[in-house]
Amino acid sequence: GEDVEQSLFLSVREGDSSVINCTYTDSSSTYLYWYKQEPGAGLQLLTYIFSNMDMKQDQRLTVLLNKKDKHLSLRIADTQTGDSAIYFCAEILTGGGNKLTFGTGTQLKVEL
Amino acid sequence: DAGITQSPRHKVTETGTPVTLRCHQTENHRYMYWYRQDPGHGLRLIHYSYGVKDTDKGEVSDGYSVSRSKTEDFLLTLESATSSQTSVYFCAISTSEDTQYFGPGTRLTVL
Repeated sequence: GEDVEQSLFLSVREGDSSVINCTYTDSSSTYLYWYKQEPGAGLQLLTYIFSNMDMKQDQRLTVLLNKKDKHLSLRIADTQTGDSAIYFCAEILTGGGNKLTFGTGTQLKVEL
Repeated sequence: DAGITQSPRHKVTETGTPVTLRCHQTENHRYMYWYRQDPGHGLRLIHYSYGVKDTDKGEVSDGYSVSRSKTEDFLLTLESATSSQTSVYFCAISTSEDTQYFGPGTRLTVL
């Protein structure tokens, strides 16, 4: 199967920017996704980027995609305590079925 | 939640018993998925469905079966539950824009 890798933890101060990184393996992935999971809850789709894009911005969120290095990042500007959660990146697999492979998740802790 | 519900939300069962989890959607999406979430593994695909009576295996399908007799329901069955199947199970649907939306999850404990 494909491996999607993320660092496990990130701690930032409220008001700072957070950058969560992800590396993926399937160079033919068409879409890459970021999901947020708060404690005890399901996964919430935050944003996604099409593989022919380098950057996508959505309010406080900026997604950067480096296809050459198979590197995806999520930047959260002006990080708030409500942003504390686990963030998952995911890539869609080729071969049909719209199947996703997820990273292990990055726990973001926002400190006052 | 894109109209996705899961039942039960919590279940405790004993090793060797059969367990069925239900996923229900209200928007007639073609694709439905079952994942399990475990610490250190993220989410892993168990089975998925691409239409009524059309299903296929995912990455971790051993010990699980699924059925989809109508568009809105996708059932996941553990024929004989084991402690290694203690996990949180998520159902998802895929829209025509290739984005997946998840249900609230079912926490299953096998004693």
